[in-house]
Amino acid sequence: QKEVEQNSGPLSVPEGAIASLNCTYSDRGSQSFFWYRQYSGKSPELIMFIYSNGDKEDGRFTAQLNKASQYVSLLIRDSQPSDSATYLCAVVTGANNLFFGTGTRLTVIP
Amino acid sequence: NAGVTQTPKFRILKIGQSMTLQCTQDMNHNYMYWYRQDPGMGLKLIYYSVGAGITDKGEVPNGYNVSRSTTEDFPLRLELAAPSQTSVYFCASSHRAGASTDTQYFGPGTRLTVL
Repeated sequence: QKEVEQNSGPLSVPEGAIASLNCTYSDRGSQSFFWYRQYSGKSPELIMFIYSNGDKEDGRFTAQLNKASQYVSLLIRDSQPSDSATYLCAVVTGANNLFFGTGTRLTVIP
Repeated sequence: NAGVTQTPKFRILKIGQSMTLQCTQDMNHNYMYWYRQDPGMGLKLIYYSVGAGITDKGEVPNGYNVSRSTTEDFPLRLELAAPSQTSVYFCASSHRAGASTDTQYFGPGTRLTVL
């Protein structure tokens, strides 16, 4: 079983809609969870992190964590064409290193 | 601050050649990392370092070596290049002040092709 699993997509949403990106992880002891955005040909950049159950909001982005279900998600409200990118979920494991999912490619259609 | 810088940006190697990918950070971060990213895949950790003089293997260390003689620099060495090492290589650094959450800052990447 992979450490971190994401639907590779592509996920297409119309401009202004809510994009929902999902991630599951296998290590029940994981404590910290990150969402990175990666534009084509560029390096990953941090969007936000979450480590408590529930929701965490930052502007148009909301991260949701459910440790019992081993599930973390990212919602992007009022999606813009500039949000078109690959979104990487990353989980800190017991060795205190990040395990990355393969990413979900999001396309926002104008 | 320049953040994390990597050189070169692109490189083509022949099978069996060697090279060093350079990584430097000016944020005084303790932790540094090397990842590789194959097309359509996530990042896989090659090696990491928790401070000068200390390195450890990640998920995919075979075929690579690292050293950390200073806080700022963390070079990655490929001794005998193989086609399987064709990838994009990212260096990253983080502060790791003991908190459970930690942000890694990535360099721009080195695109390596082995023919």
